Amino acid sequence: GNSVTQMEGPVTLSEEAFLTINCTYTATGYPSLFWYVQYPGEGLQLLLKATKADDKGSNKGFEATYRKETTSFHLEKGSVQVSDSAVYFCALSKDFGNEKLTFGTGTRLTIIP
Amino acid sequence: DGGITQSPKYLFRKEGQNVTLSCEQNLNHDAMYWYRQDPGQGLRLIYYSQIVNDFQKGDIAEGYSVSREKKESFPLTVTSAQKNPTAFYLCASSMTASPVYGYTFGSGTRLTVV
Repeated sequence: GNSVTQMEGPVTLSEEAFLTINCTYTATGYPSLFWYVQYPGEGLQLLLKATKADDKGSNKGFEATYRKETTSFHLEKGSVQVSDSAVYFCALSKDFGNEKLTFGTGTRLTIIP
Repeated sequence: DGGITQSPKYLFRKEGQNVTLSCEQNLNHDAMYWYRQDPGQGLRLIYYSQIVNDFQKGDIAEGYSVSREKKESFPLTVTSAQKNPTAFYLCASSMTASPVYGYTFGSGTRLTVV
């Protein structure tokens, strides 16, 4: 079946540091891939997505590239801010059948000034 | 603006009571979902509905019930049979039953048993 594996947290970085949160997936065919962000006490918000191999999703300075050869969708940001502190979820979906979104377990990120 | 509205934001339940969490969307989405999130954990699917008047159990449906009488609404009832209901509950929707474009989430309801 489909699955998503995220790097375990929590991750703590200083402001302006470079961020990488690893995400790998297992799925047949060509899933769509997503990163969601959850701020404290809130629901999940879509951060970025990519729907085919080699696509790069980007938003708010975050980027992730769909790498089919390594089945990965790592989230990166060049210079993090305190406001980026949140929980980040990687997810995938298939484009046929009655598939549901499959989520990773989430990675808590804390940025210290 | 289109979106998903969950209410109430905070809910307190006494032992043995049933409570109903509201979820309304004005996105004209076909599919709706209920997830449970516990501290430090990921999302677990409770129930989902891909079309009006139809719904399926997710991974942790025991002690919960839902209805889907209208496209816009997907209320979740937490029954007294749910032994550990304290959690953060998230409602989501997707354009079609095949969520290639992802989900839109509500802002959640935090349920506490007192």
